[in-house]
Amino acid sequence: EPEVTQTPSHQVTQMGQEVILRCVPISNHLYFYWYRQILGQKVEFLVSFYNNEISEKSEIFDDQFSVERPDGSNFTLKIRSTKLEDSAMYFCASSEAPGQGATGTFGSGTRLTVV
Amino acid sequence: ELKVEQNPLFLSMQEGKNYTIYCNYSTTSDRLYWYRQDPGKSLESLFVLLSNGAVKQEGRLMASLDTKARLSTLHITAAVHDLSATYFCAVAPSGTYKYIFGTGTRLKVLA
Repeated sequence: EPEVTQTPSHQVTQMGQEVILRCVPISNHLYFYWYRQILGQKVEFLVSFYNNEISEKSEIFDDQFSVERPDGSNFTLKIRSTKLEDSAMYFCASSEAPGQGATGTFGSGTRLTVV
Repeated sequence: ELKVEQNPLFLSMQEGKNYTIYCNYSTTSDRLYWYRQDPGKSLESLFVLLSNGAVKQEGRLMASLDTKARLSTLHITAAVHDLSATYFCAVAPSGTYKYIFGTGTRLKVLA
């Protein structure tokens, strides 16, 4: 069964450092998403991406965040200057062409720990 | 702003019993999803509900949607231990793909 692949599975970084989280969405999917989940809390939408541009973003997705699809397969989330409160599990998801039946397939997540 | 609330937040139930998890949302939506999450794991899609009165069933889980009441339910029939997980509903406002997740219901089924 097709999967969304995320790397690394766990990243530890110093506060103020830049991190890049990587995702390989399912190959025929056109919509890509990043979510985060602070430990034990609900899943929060960060951003959706379609046709090489951001479709929607939440208030969490401020200037320190950026997304990119640098080639035909990878989808990345960059956090420019990490803060302690950025520590969370980050999930990438992808879905098929826009349509009501499209459900997101989630990757296994990257646990980001900012120290 | 769309708000999605689930209740209960925690549910401990005996094997063999039935129970219902509720998901209320605050604005018009044409899509509602249910996901399951095991501890430390990713989200697994369970159901997508697209229209008023939609009902989907898979094994011991049945989900329904009432768009007029802005309410979805996830009904568990004759619970088994393997159903222990956290269940999230997620709603996208009409015309967007910005899925807003509920608070989650942590279900523990006791043998």
